[in-house]
Amino acid sequence: GEDVEQSLFLSVREGDSSVINCTYTDSSSTYLYWYKQEPGAGLQLLTYIFSNMDMKQDQRLTVLLNKKDKHLSLRIADTQTGDSAIYFCAESITGGYQKVTFGTGTKLQVIP
Amino acid sequence: DVKVTQSSRYLVKRTGEKVFLECVQDMDHENMFWYRQDPGLGLRLIYFSYDVKMKEKGDIPEGYSVSREKKERFSLILESASTNQTSMYLCASRGQLDTEAFFGQGTRLTVV
Repeated sequence: GEDVEQSLFLSVREGDSSVINCTYTDSSSTYLYWYKQEPGAGLQLLTYIFSNMDMKQDQRLTVLLNKKDKHLSLRIADTQTGDSAIYFCAESITGGYQKVTFGTGTKLQVIP
Repeated sequence: DVKVTQSSRYLVKRTGEKVFLECVQDMDHENMFWYRQDPGLGLRLIYFSYDVKMKEKGDIPEGYSVSREKKERFSLILESASTNQTSMYLCASRGQLDTEAFFGQGTRLTVV
């Protein structure tokens, strides 16, 4: 079955880079996602990567995928206080019921 | 913009009450999901639906049921609320060809 794991907390100083890590178990995953949840809000898709890619860059965000180790990471460059949130790693496979399986979430605290 | 709307932001109910959580989406999505979010446990899938009147159990369906009479509306029902169902409930929808799932703002349910 699917299982997605993340560390629960990360604290960084404003201006530094943040790296949030995730491991997953389902080798048939097609999409791997990073969702962001700000306090009191629902989840918003931050970025995603197809399983046939190794890396994706989008402005301050870099996603790295190591399929062999089933490891996904999100790097946020020049972290800002507005990046303080919970970040969820998630996976899904193509077809079927389009179910998305989420990790436990990593709470990122940015210290000014 | 895709909109997923949950009927209440906050609810307080008594133990034993029957509770309805409503979710409406405006993008004609086939797939709809109910998750609960608890600290340290991330999002766990309760039930999902891939079509009108169709439903599938997720990972933690016990104590819950669902209803999908119309495509745009997916209801989560707590037949007899218990204190261990105090949680944040998140509804999501996803089109069959979509990459991402879209989330509502969440309903924080407290059972006393």
